[in-house]
Amino acid sequence: AQRVTQPEKLLSVFKGAPVELKCNYSYSGSPELFWYVQYSRQRLQLLLRHISRESIKGFTADLNKGETSFHLKKPFAQEEDSAMYYCAISGGSNYKLTFGKGTLLTVNP
Amino acid sequence: EPEVTQTPSHQVTQMGQEVILRCVPISNHLYFYWYRQILGQKVEFLVSFYNNEISEKSEIFDDQFSVERPDGSNFTLKIRSTKLEDSAMYFCASSQYRGGDTEAFFGQGTRLTVV
Repeated sequence: AQRVTQPEKLLSVFKGAPVELKCNYSYSGSPELFWYVQYSRQRLQLLLRHISRESIKGFTADLNKGETSFHLKKPFAQEEDSAMYYCAISGGSNYKLTFGKGTLLTVNP
Repeated sequence: EPEVTQTPSHQVTQMGQEVILRCVPISNHLYFYWYRQILGQKVEFLVSFYNNEISEKSEIFDDQFSVERPDGSNFTLKIRSTKLEDSAMYFCASSQYRGGDTEAFFGQGTRLTVV
């Protein structure tokens, strides 16, 4: 069974501070890992995924297979980064997503 | 940019009534999904649909639930006899899966309130 753990329900930082949202997963095969973001009153949207190795809006995430982690990082948080962040894993033939419980990031001015 | 659209945005229904939640996936996508999120809890997979049939379903997706793609564009979720615990946000998603692109695009959700 695939499982995603996001240990922090809430994370509050000041603008310009570094931010790290933690994600750990369990999966027996070779999963695909994602970060989805949901801004206030908007739909879930893909932020980034491990296979593309891109940096989106200054965020990066590195897949660490040894620690089964996929933490999301940004060196200098902005107020517009305030949102709900979900880590998700996809595996198997139907590409369904298993989500973590999400972390609500608040960036204070 | 193409989007997944869901209607209605909010539905209130009485316990025991049938509801149909509607979704229009992105037109060239092949996989379709329903997820739900009970208030304060995580987003949970309900069902995936591919090639005009259910390809996978979760334990939540019992006999009270059904999905249909009646006309090649709409994708519906029907709950036959709603219970209070069906109150949740329901998200439709679709993905293309061509060339390894598995990104799922989500609709804005339908908030279902069962009273």
